[in-house]
This record gives sequence, structure tokens and C-alpha cells, in this order.
Amino acid sequence: GQNIDQPTEMTATEGAIVQINCTYQTSGFNGLFWYQQHAGEAPTFLSYNVLDGLEEKGRFSSFLSRSKGYSYLLLKELQMKDSASYLCAVRDSNYQLIWGAGTKLIIKP
Amino acid sequence: IAGITQAPTSQILAAGRRMTLRCTQDMRHNAMYWYRQDLGLGLRLIHYSNTAGTTGKGEVPDGYSVSRANTDDFPLTLASAVPSQTSVYFCASSDGGGGDYNEQFFGPGTRLTVL
Repeated sequence: GQNIDQPTEMTATEGAIVQINCTYQTSGFNGLFWYQQHAGEAPTFLSYNVLDGLEEKGRFSSFLSRSKGYSYLLLKELQMKDSASYLCAVRDSNYQLIWGAGTKLIIKP
Repeated sequence: IAGITQAPTSQILAAGRRMTLRCTQDMRHNAMYWYRQDLGLGLRLIHYSNTAGTTGKGEVPDGYSVSRANTDDFPLTLASAVPSQTSVYFCASSDGGGGDYNEQFFGPGTRLTVL
């Protein structure tokens, strides 16, 4: 079967750095996405990785290792507005997205 | 403002009733999707459409039907609602399958409660 694993909840301090991990087992791989979802709102696109390595976008970076079935999202200089759920999704061989359950990130002052 | 709209925002429905959730996008995207999101579970694909006139089944299609008469609209119908269909429903669209990002853009969601 297809499976995406990520921690259920993480806590971090404002101004710090946090890394959210995602491991996956899917039928085929055509890219990995990270989305941010604030409570009661729709998911919004953050980043995309299809090749191994690090993609940097301002305070957010995403890393991929296809051989290990592993990705992480790195958030730097945390702000209170970063409190949200972070969803990892893999595009499979049918070009459909398989979603993890999401990691709820709590930022404390 | 370009984007995706969904209606209604929320609905309480008696079991056995028929209900259509509406979704409209103005980005001229080829592909559209319906997901349900339940606490502790990832988004689960109900149905999708790669282009107008075609539809396909996702992971959890039972009890739901869709149609795609044109590019902009992708309604989801519950023929006879059951309490297990209580969920938040998201409609999404993307430029098409394959190649580059093709990230999905999401509507604001419909919160449905079936009693």
C-alpha cells in the first residue's frame, strides 16, 4: 500500500528553527509537495521537490532524498503566524497526490 | 480575483437526503479534484477530472458522484447522505497532469454534517 508518515504534532519557539520530517512509500514517484494549512482554512502550496537536494524559498527550505523515501521541511526564524499544519504529499505513478495526515506546528513565544 | 469558490460554506443535512456541493474555478485549469479531510487522516481523493468531459474515481468514491460538463465547474453529489460522510470537503484544481509543478490550488472548503 501507499503510505506517508509525518509527526502528528511539534512545538517550537518563536525565532527558532524547526525541521518537519516526512517519509513515504508510494507506487511511483513524480514529485513531493509541502502545503501549509491554517486551522479552518484551505491548504496552500509551499514547495515542490522532484530531484534530490535542497530547495530554498526565503525562510522555508525543503529537502528530498528519493533513495531513502525521505523529505523534510525546514522553517527558520519562526514567527507566530507559522503556527499551522504542514502537509506532505507525494505524486504517484498515476499523477495523483497521496497525502500525509499533517504535522501540527505550535509556536510558543 | 482568480481562484476557486465552493458552496455552501457549511451545511447540516439529514441522513438519506441528496446534496450537491458546488465548485467553480476561473483559472482555466484542466484538472479538478474533490477531497475529504477528516481529523487524523490525510486528505483523501474522492473523484477527479483530468479535463472537461472526463472523470475518474479516487481512493474513496463510494456514495459520491461527479460530473464535468465544462472547464470551470465540478459539482460533487451525495445521492443519499450517511453520517460517515460528515467531513470537510475541499475542491482543488491544477493546470494538468504531469510535468513541472502542477501544484493544486484549493477552494475554501465545505463543512458538511450528516445527522
